[in-house]
Amino acid sequence: AQSVTQLGSHVSVSEGALVLLRCNYSSSVPPYLFWYVQYPNQGLQLLLKYTTGATLVKGINGFEAEFKKSETSFHLTKPSAHMSDAAEYFCAVISNTGNQFYFGTGTSLTVIP
Amino acid sequence: DAGVIQSPRHEVTEMGQEVTLRCKPISGHDYLFWYRQTMMRGLELLIYFNNNVPIDDSGMPEDRFSAKMPNASFSTLKIQPSEPRDSAVYFCASSLVRGGTYEQYFGPGTRLTVT
Repeated sequence: AQSVTQLGSHVSVSEGALVLLRCNYSSSVPPYLFWYVQYPNQGLQLLLKYTTGATLVKGINGFEAEFKKSETSFHLTKPSAHMSDAAEYFCAVISNTGNQFYFGTGTSLTVIP
Repeated sequence: DAGVIQSPRHEVTEMGQEVTLRCKPISGHDYLFWYRQTMMRGLELLIYFNNNVPIDDSGMPEDRFSAKMPNASFSTLKIQPSEPRDSAVYFCASSLVRGGTYEQYFGPGTRLTVT
């Protein structure tokens, strides 16, 4: 069975500081992993995804994530936080059959000016 | 492409009334998903379709909820009768699994308030 755990339901960073949002996964098969962002009153938007190949994945808005099999992790990072990054972030893993996502509970990111 | 389209964006109704939410997936996608999001329960998968056929409705809370997908470009989620605890944001998402892209594309959601 697949699942993801997001550590920290709320994260606050200062503008310009490093953003680190943690995600650990459980999967019985090589995982496909995703990060989504949800801005207030909007739907979820794909930030980046890992399927195969390079373990460091770059996404939109300067975000990137690294797949670490040994740590079963897929943490999301951004070198310098911007006020516009304030949002809810969801990590997700796909099912064996590729047709269903298992979402984490989300991390709310606050950026302090 | 216009993305996933949902209507209405906001719905306010009284307890006991029937509510119908609508979704138009991205053209060519073969999977459609309905989710519900609340502060208490987070993001919950209600039901999903493959090529217009319901595959898993185990997330549908009870018989008051029903979903249909009469064709590849339209789906509805109906609640009858509605209750205050159904108040939530309902999202529709679609994906293309055939071909291996997998990621789900979400609509803007319908905010349902039942008074």
